Amino acid sequence: DQQVKQNSPSLSVQEGRISILNCDYTNSMFDYFLWYKKYPAEGPTFLISISSIKDKNEDGRFTVFLNKSAKHLSLHIVPSQPGDSAVYFCAATTGGSNYKLTFGKGTLLTVNP
Amino acid sequence: DGGITQSPKYLFRKEGQNVTLSCEQNLNHDAMYWYRQDPGQGLRLIYYSQIVNDFQKGDIAEGYSVSREKKESFPLTVTSAQKNPTAFYLCASSMEGVAKNIQYFGAGTRLSVL
Repeated sequence: DQQVKQNSPSLSVQEGRISILNCDYTNSMFDYFLWYKKYPAEGPTFLISISSIKDKNEDGRFTVFLNKSAKHLSLHIVPSQPGDSAVYFCAATTGGSNYKLTFGKGTLLTVNP
Repeated sequence: DGGITQSPKYLFRKEGQNVTLSCEQNLNHDAMYWYRQDPGQGLRLIYYSQIVNDFQKGDIAEGYSVSREKKESFPLTVTSAQKNPTAFYLCASSMEGVAKNIQYFGAGTRLSVL
């Protein structure tokens, strides 16, 4: 049972345009969400996170939106750059004393020059 | 230069052999984790440790073992009981408290079966 779903395996956008990566979750106990970026043959690097008490968090070109009623979050990258080309993983946790992150399968973003 | 070091980068296992993947961190993090990534899949948690001399099973612990004798080190042994060990293995660590949700990853070890 996949609790965190990234339904788009890949996304291609033009440099300078907006990239929108989507993530859906089924576990209503999740209260903290993260996005990681991963290049081939490297470990994931933390990008941005959001707590369930917020609906938006912004860090430079990256903004994460959370819609709790729809159990949906999205990552917006504006403007997209070729260096943003990577696999993006959505992850979630129930917080508290729980240390476990549940990851989606990832979305491959390609930003074309 | 703080970070997480995984070694080796590539590892080959023969039939019936146990192999150990190394993970060392100098971030002074209390918690450490091992994940497995298969092609087209997300990361799946194998084991994690919140403190020295203590660890818990993740979602796919069968065929794996760990130890946590030092805060900096969390080695993973892939035993002969793991029938499908070919994967990319990732080690991570995190701080305690409110920051524990943000995990920092090493560069990974790619394990293949000969």
